[in-house]
Amino acid sequence: EAQVTQNPRYLITVTGKKLTVTCSQNMNHEYMSWYRQDPGLGLRQIYYSMNVEVTDKGDVPEGYKVSRKEKRNFPLILESPSPNQTSLYFCATRTSLGGTDTQYFGPGTRLTVL
Amino acid sequence: AQSVAQPEDQVNVAEGNPLTVKCTYSVSGNPYLFWYVQYPNRGLQFLLKYITGDNLVKGSYGFEAEFNKSQTSFHLKKPSALVSDSALYFCAVRDPSRRNTGFQKLVFGTGTRLLVSP
Repeated sequence: EAQVTQNPRYLITVTGKKLTVTCSQNMNHEYMSWYRQDPGLGLRQIYYSMNVEVTDKGDVPEGYKVSRKEKRNFPLILESPSPNQTSLYFCATRTSLGGTDTQYFGPGTRLTVL
Repeated sequence: AQSVAQPEDQVNVAEGNPLTVKCTYSVSGNPYLFWYVQYPNRGLQFLLKYITGDNLVKGSYGFEAEFNKSQTSFHLKKPSALVSDSALYFCAVRDPSRRNTGFQKLVFGTGTRLLVSP
């Protein structure tokens, strides 16, 4: 079954404690990205990756890091989380850089930073 | 810059009635348009997309959307709503004129909550 998985699904942490949210896909997709979803703001892209070792900033990259060492994994790293990073996070993948293909989303990670 | 507007935060409709969720867009070229649905505690699921061709696009779960270039709209519709259609709906646009930048970002609207009452 084609899927995008994220872990953990829920996380409560404290300010400054480093954390990583993992994202893994089994569809051999080249393109992966991270979004955050906030009420009234919709989904905003944090970082994206066009392939292994190729990553770039999205619209709201401050406070986040990513890495793409393998095609299937695209972890999101918060080195020093702050309360304004409390949000719902989604990982997404799509087949290629072509504009017509569909994006597939993970189930989401709800993060609370106290 | 490309953008999407969903003017209604919430749409209420009775089961069995037709529903419309509105979306307007702004891009520099011809757009690629998408609708996604988000059920509670779930990720976004693809409903349908318009790339080219027939302005009326049919998608999953009986939904359809009509592309109107002159009004720059891509409203989501369903002839007869079900209670199970209650969810958060997102319109998104991709600007294909940006392909030379190496990727084409998907820009989402703020979402419209659809509430279908029994």
